[in-house]
Amino acid sequence: KAGVTQTPRYLIKTRGQQVTLSCSPISGHRSVSWYQQTPGQGLQFLFEYFSETQRNKGNFPGRFSGRQFSNSRSEMNVSTLELGDSALYLCASSMPGRLDSPLHFGNGTRLTVT
Amino acid sequence: DQQVKQNSPSLSVQEGRISILNCDYTNSMFDYFLWYKKYPAEGPTFLISISSIKDKNEDGRFTVFLNKSAKHLSLHIVPSQPGDSAVYFCAASASGGYNKLIFGAGTRLAVHP
Repeated sequence: KAGVTQTPRYLIKTRGQQVTLSCSPISGHRSVSWYQQTPGQGLQFLFEYFSETQRNKGNFPGRFSGRQFSNSRSEMNVSTLELGDSALYLCASSMPGRLDSPLHFGNGTRLTVT
Repeated sequence: DQQVKQNSPSLSVQEGRISILNCDYTNSMFDYFLWYKKYPAEGPTFLISISSIKDKNEDGRFTVFLNKSAKHLSLHIVPSQPGDSAVYFCAASASGGYNKLIFGAGTRLAVHP
């Protein structure tokens, strides 16, 4: 079974630009979550989508948004990029509502904002 | 406010011995705990989990212990192998948001031959 796939793996953007990251969950997984990892703040929850609806949201500004499509694939968007948005962005999928279905992470998209 | 704390940034263990990684939490609403392992340039890999109705869960060489009264959990790896060298993250969540994991800062484990 293929794992969680994130594209692209690396991205370099300039301050003020916007960026879209993509995530394909494990087949059969209908919940997709996004996390940000930085050296200073560690791994932080951004948001979770299930059935094309945002189900939970972390403490991030409105510049960070996401969506989920009917095939469970998800995208996250960051607008008006700031230097502090440089991070590893991780997508994870699971079968929601089941404690025996923990989050499975992709290898992430490394975003560098210059 | 760090709700999940891993106070040891690093741990060095000899191959074949036991590795014990510790984690403390402050939020009494947490009722599901997980351990993830992370290699450089890869995403975290799920290792083992435990719900608050248990105090121990085993999976092969990995055992997680939960002490609810002390708000403390630990991961035991026996025997430790060089391939176990990685960063280990403790994570916690509460009902209503099991995918909203709160992670600790991680402990870097180095297993030496």
